[in-house]
Amino acid sequence: DTEVTQTPKHLVMGMTNKKSLKCEQHMGHRAMYWYKQKAKKPPELMFVYSYEKLSINESVPSRFSPECPNSSLLNLHLHALQPEDSALYLCASSHLTGLNIQYFGAGTRLSVL
Amino acid sequence: DAKTTQPTSMDCAEGRAANLPCNHSTISGNEYVYWYRQIHSQGPQYIIHGLKNNETNEMASLIITEDRKSSTLILPHATLRDTAVYYCIGGGGADGLTFGKGTHLIIQP
Repeated sequence: DTEVTQTPKHLVMGMTNKKSLKCEQHMGHRAMYWYKQKAKKPPELMFVYSYEKLSINESVPSRFSPECPNSSLLNLHLHALQPEDSALYLCASSHLTGLNIQYFGAGTRLSVL
Repeated sequence: DAKTTQPTSMDCAEGRAANLPCNHSTISGNEYVYWYRQIHSQGPQYIIHGLKNNETNEMASLIITEDRKSSTLILPHATLRDTAVYYCIGGGGADGLTFGKGTHLIIQP
């Protein structure tokens, strides 16, 4: 099983809402990632978790708050987003080895109104 | 991560081999070359990786030059479902991937 599951697939939220994106994997991977992808652009790294601890934060605004409650789950909490935050949010996971083979979910398409 | 350069777009006829080039002249000795692809509205999909030797799996072949400054991804018998953006990425370890602009491969019927 090489599946990374992201929910919801689509999300529409207002600028004052609080919502969460969820990501789950059962491959025993101990590294998990959040990427943001704007239309017609490549994915951009946001956060990296290693052994459930935040190891990389690519200067992401605090209105994005990641959480890794256990080795299988990764959340991205959203609060007071701006319309320019509308994008496809991708989750990925990988083993913590010398290789960087990441398995991606299908993403959550977020629209901020 | 190494900086990579790829053509913006390429066309290939269905059933023919698709050869996608990538320059990665700044890659260091211990960095792998990875190829991923992203079909429209889906998450990126890992294809293949290599360090020094040529590699082949069920999806593709990877040819790496001896000086490791460039590589070519080969899809031996392209189908319409291979239409996607293909990303060549240099790097290693469990860091995040740094995606370049990639190559938009269009398979023509």
